[in-house]
Amino acid sequence: DAKTTQPNSMESNEEEPVHLPCNHSTISGTDYIHWYRQLPSQGPEYVIHGLTSNVNNRMASLAIAEDRKSSTLILHRATLRDAAVYYCILMRASYDKVIFGPGTSLSVIP
Amino acid sequence: GAVVSQHPSRVICKSGTSVKIECRSLDFQATTMFWYRQFPKQSLMLMATSNEGSKATYEQGVEKDKFLINHASLTLSTLTVTSAHPEDSSFYICSARLGKPYNEQFFGPGTRLTVL
Repeated sequence: DAKTTQPNSMESNEEEPVHLPCNHSTISGTDYIHWYRQLPSQGPEYVIHGLTSNVNNRMASLAIAEDRKSSTLILHRATLRDAAVYYCILMRASYDKVIFGPGTSLSVIP
Repeated sequence: GAVVSQHPSRVICKSGTSVKIECRSLDFQATTMFWYRQFPKQSLMLMATSNEGSKATYEQGVEKDKFLINHASLTLSTLTVTSAHPEDSSFYICSARLGKPYNEQFFGPGTRLTVL
């Protein structure tokens, strides 16, 4: 399985942008890059996904490196409600499972 | 977005009893659902893949006779923890997939199981 590497934890000040990095050097051509987040005591929540081009939605932006070996989830303006564990996951077109790594625990400081 | 519900949200049971957890896709049909377990301060661990109308596929190390999965309809999958013991106490989460495998999955809110 293609693996991702993320920092264990990060901190951000409220109302400032947050850049959450993810390395996936063994990514294959059919792997999609997905981001999920999990708030305390809740199930994970889909954030965004992409293949090659940068993506934007109402929650976040996803910047994908040209060689696709890394990506960055961007929260444009962190709020206290964004404090969660963020998971970067690769999903193959022909591969069913979502396997979670340790993720990055984001703390937002008021 | 699509909604997945779980019932119950919390359950406390005595050791040796069986507990059933329901996972429902409320506004879409899910041919495939997934069951995860999460211990405190740890990531989610995939237990099994549940396919409608067929047997579940269990991950290595997960006892299929202990964690019974039934996916009888396109909107309902159930996980039964049989003869529960304190070490089965955990946060159980289900998810359902929309469309092709590379599309996003929607997760339920989780069920907190405590076995006394």
